[in-house]
This record gives sequence, structure tokens and C-alpha cells, in this order.
Amino acid sequence: QKEVEQNSGPLSVPEGAIASLNCTYSDRVSQSFFWYRQYSGKSPELIMSIYSNGDKEDGRFTAQLNKASQYVSLLIRDSQPSDSATYLCAVKTGGNEKLTFGTGTRLTIIP
Amino acid sequence: SAVISQKPSRDICQRGTSLTIQCQVDSQVTMMFWYRQQPGQSLTLIATANQGSEATYESGFVIDKFPISRPNLTFSTLTVSNMSPEDSSIYLCSVVGGNQPQHFGDGTRLSIL
Repeated sequence: QKEVEQNSGPLSVPEGAIASLNCTYSDRVSQSFFWYRQYSGKSPELIMSIYSNGDKEDGRFTAQLNKASQYVSLLIRDSQPSDSATYLCAVKTGGNEKLTFGTGTRLTIIP
Repeated sequence: SAVISQKPSRDICQRGTSLTIQCQVDSQVTMMFWYRQQPGQSLTLIATANQGSEATYESGFVIDKFPISRPNLTFSTLTVSNMSPEDSSIYLCSVVGGNQPQHFGDGTRLSIL
């Protein structure tokens, strides 16, 4: 069983709409959760981190965490063509700073 | 956050040869990691680079194939040994430090002929 699961997509969203990306994880003791954006041919770039249940907002991005359901999501409001990328969910379990990555969701914003 | 410089940015190598990738950080960091990203795949952790001691390897990765050094808190190298076409990947260095979450260098794009 995969430890971190994401829908691989591709997910197509019209420009200006809300893009919703989902991630589930298997280890209940996971403590920290991250979303990375990776443009084609580039390295992953951290865009959001979330550590406690609820919502965390940063500009057009909102991360949502529900530890009881072992579920973390990323919402992108007012989607722009520049948001087209692969979004990687990563989970940290324990105190050793190691991350486990999901397979990524490829998002395409349609002008 | 710390600035990470990774060299080379890309290379094309002959099978059976070895390549050493360097990762230099502009400030001392707590943790350094090496990942592999095969074409169309997500990131797989190869090992944690430990300062002054042997790296800690993940399942499926061995020191003979991927020797790693970390002589100080700002520098690490990963060597890909006896390369085969299956080693064609992006190799990424990442760091944790200064209360910042893990972030990545630009990566090394490696192709084996």
C-alpha cells in the first residue's frame, strides 16, 4: 500500500476557477504536510506547509488538513495558466525530517 | 531560506562510468538529502547525508552504487557508480535548516548512453 496517494490526473481547470488537489496518507502519526509545485524540467518548489487541523491560507493557495481522515488538500483560487504544473504532496513522519512524496497530480489551467 | 547550488546541472555519460554530483549550500544546514526522480515519476529518497559519518540509505539503495560524502555542514556529494541506462534520472539535493522546511536544489539531469 502506498504511503502517500494522489490522483495522478491530469486535472484540467478553466482559468479563473478553483483547482482542488487531494492527498491521503497512511501513517496516522504523520505530523507535517507539504505541497510542492514542480514545473516541467524544474525542481520541486515548496508552496505550502501545514501542521495542524484546519485551513491555512497564503494568497491564492489554501491548504486543508484533516488528521482524523488522514487527508490533506490544496485549493488554488482564481487559477492562472502559470499554475499549470505537477503538484506533489509530501508527508513527514517522526522527527527525522525525511519526507515521503506522493506520485503528484498534473494540473493544467485552460485559458 | 538557504541557497543550494548543485553541479553539474546536466550530463550525458557512457555506461560503466561514474559521475559525482556536488551540492553546496550558502549556510550551515541541519540535514541534507539526496533524491532520485526517474522520468515521469515522483521523488524517491536515496539517502540522508550525515555530516562526518556514513550516509543512511533507504531500502533499495546501497553505498557501493551511490557513495555519498558530507564533510561539513554546507557540502555534500553523491556519486552514481558503474552507470547503466536505468540510472538516467534527475538527481536532487535537498536541505533542512534554520526552521525552514525541506527545499531543493535545481537538480542534475543525467542521461546514460
